[in-house]
Amino acid sequence: AQTVTQSQPEMSVQEAETVTLSCTYDTSESDYYLFWYKQPPSRQMILVIRQEAYKQQNATENRFSVNFQKAAKSFSLKISDSQLGDAAMYFCARPSNNAGNMLTFGGGTRLMVKP
Amino acid sequence: GAGVSQSPSNKVTEKGKDVELRCDPISGHTALYWYRQSLGQGLEFLIYFQGNSAPDKSGLPSDRFSAERTGGSVSTLTIQRTQQEDSAVYLCASSLPRDRAPKGPKETQYFGPGTRLLVL
Repeated sequence: AQTVTQSQPEMSVQEAETVTLSCTYDTSESDYYLFWYKQPPSRQMILVIRQEAYKQQNATENRFSVNFQKAAKSFSLKISDSQLGDAAMYFCARPSNNAGNMLTFGGGTRLMVKP
Repeated sequence: GAGVSQSPSNKVTEKGKDVELRCDPISGHTALYWYRQSLGQGLEFLIYFQGNSAPDKSGLPSDRFSAERTGGSVSTLTIQRTQQEDSAVYLCASSLPRDRAPKGPKETQYFGPGTRLLVL
């Protein structure tokens, strides 16, 4: 079975500081997508950022960026200039290898932002 | 444009009763997924629909769970004879099909707000 592992159940960051959330995964494919989703208390899963494995350049979306290490199968999320609204659960996910593309999620990391 | 919508937002039911959860995907998204998020199991895939093809039911935990998708749009997840372990948040997501999505954001799944089910 494919696995996605988030080794940090909880993380804490001071407002305006930078925090990195870790994620590792397994795969036998050479081209695939990886995703980070944010889930605030409202429950809505919000796409934060995505990375296509064949691209060498790390994806960036405003204050969010990834450190994608393909050989190590590592996909960490960096949040710069953390804001109170960043407090949420963060899930790393990757699609399955089959035609359905259903997502396998990591266990999540709860991010707390201190004012 | 409108995102994925789900109803009801919350549902409380008694053990043994049947429940129906509804999902309305983004217009034009032919792929639809149901996931379950529970404290003990995290986020797990339940069922996948793609257009008029037979659904992938490989994630359904028991035969008490079923889902249908009418007209390739709205989907209903039905849980019969609910048990306390069915208590969870049920999330629906939709996406473009693999052969139609642009190469950049290919197959990205967009989620609804979920239905929180509590079985007493």
